[in-house]
Amino acid sequence: DQQVKQNSPSLSVQEGRISILNCDYTNSMFDYFLWYKKYPAEGPTFLISISSIKDKNEDGRFTVFLNKSAKHLSLHIVPSQPGDSAVYFCAASAVFGNEKLTFGTGTRLTIIP
Amino acid sequence: EAGVAQSPRYKIIEKRQSVAFWCNPISGHATLYWYQQILGQGPKLLIQFQNNGVVDDSQLPKDRFSAERLKGVDSTLKIQPAKLEDSAVYLCASSLAAPLGGYTFGSGTRLTVV
Repeated sequence: DQQVKQNSPSLSVQEGRISILNCDYTNSMFDYFLWYKKYPAEGPTFLISISSIKDKNEDGRFTVFLNKSAKHLSLHIVPSQPGDSAVYFCAASAVFGNEKLTFGTGTRLTIIP
Repeated sequence: EAGVAQSPRYKIIEKRQSVAFWCNPISGHATLYWYQQILGQGPKLLIQFQNNGVVDDSQLPKDRFSAERLKGVDSTLKIQPAKLEDSAVYLCASSLAAPLGGYTFGSGTRLTVV
């Protein structure tokens, strides 16, 4: 039972353009959502998060949007840079879930110079 | 601030052998997690510790996997005996401000069972 889904295994974007990564979830108990970035041979690194009481959170070039009614969130990166090439994981947590994160399968983002 | 330390980085063993992984979390982080990431999948929680107590081990295959966190600091994860399907990256993470602050992951141990 995949509770967090990232349906696009890969995405290629021109440098300077906007990258949009999508994530869907099925568990209505989830109320915290996070994005992680992973380079090869390294552990995932925390990028940005959002609580379900908000619909948008911004941090520099990164913005996460949450649509609770659609159980959908997205990560926007603008402008995209070559260093953004990595695998991006969406993750979700429930406040009564002992902070356990449930991860999606990841989207490999490639920024084309 | 030092990160989450894991060792070894790589391990190759034959099926039915045993293996152990070590993790040293960030100082002061009470919560420690072990995740398994199989190629092409997202990380899956195996076990969560709060200090030296187990909070969640519902997805740990207890017939072959075991974990401990002595004195609420370092942790070890053991597999005995290993199966081919245990080939994965084993990630250790610790947290202070979860969930919104996220976890800090180590670089992982890549296990190959042949």
